[in-house]
Amino acid sequence: DTGVSQDPRHKITKRGQNVTFRCDPISEHNRLYWYRQTLGQGPEFLTYFQNEAQLEKSRLLSDRFSAERPKGSFSTLEIQRTEQGDSAMYLCASSPGLGGTGELFFGEGSRLTVL
Amino acid sequence: DAKTTQPPSMDCAEGRAANLPCNHSTISGNEYVYWYRQIHSQGPQYIIHGLKNNETNEMASLIITEDRKSSTLILPHATLRDTAVYYCIVSESYNTDKLIFGTGTRLQVFP
Repeated sequence: DTGVSQDPRHKITKRGQNVTFRCDPISEHNRLYWYRQTLGQGPEFLTYFQNEAQLEKSRLLSDRFSAERPKGSFSTLEIQRTEQGDSAMYLCASSPGLGGTGELFFGEGSRLTVL
Repeated sequence: DAKTTQPPSMDCAEGRAANLPCNHSTISGNEYVYWYRQIHSQGPQYIIHGLKNNETNEMASLIITEDRKSSTLILPHATLRDTAVYYCIVSESYNTDKLIFGTGTRLQVFP
């Protein structure tokens, strides 16, 4: 499978715990995006990377959220001191960046439930 | 905020054409129209995009009005597997930095 992969697919945690999600983009895709999606809503943009550089962060990304892409390949999204409002699907997408068609390739998502 | 307006839901009979409208009256000259769909519990999937000309691919056709203030996504022969939420998105860059999703149209294809 050469698509975008996300791990874990499901995570249940207690309020106050830290969680980390991993995203492996399509090989050689320069850009990587994180979105969050709650029930009945469309995906909301959180942040994106061009290679290892984090170029934009949404105001939705509070101080408890941190995303990294240290070597310009896989990325991690960490949520510290989780709250019940963090319960959502966290989607990762990648794109070739410059020279591409503008299409984003999404993974299946990581569903977080905070009890 | 999303720059598009879509009906919240539509129904379509299997085998018939599904025509999904989208209003983007504030679209600017360098903004493209993108369509994605999201089948339940999956990530969004790209369908098609265009600037001003009508576009067709193996999945769908995109009709953009001459003034570019609205567009229609056409699934020529809808199947049950086309049941999904369809998102119309306008974005200012051909190599878009990000997509801003609205709430989309929930298409239900029935037998």
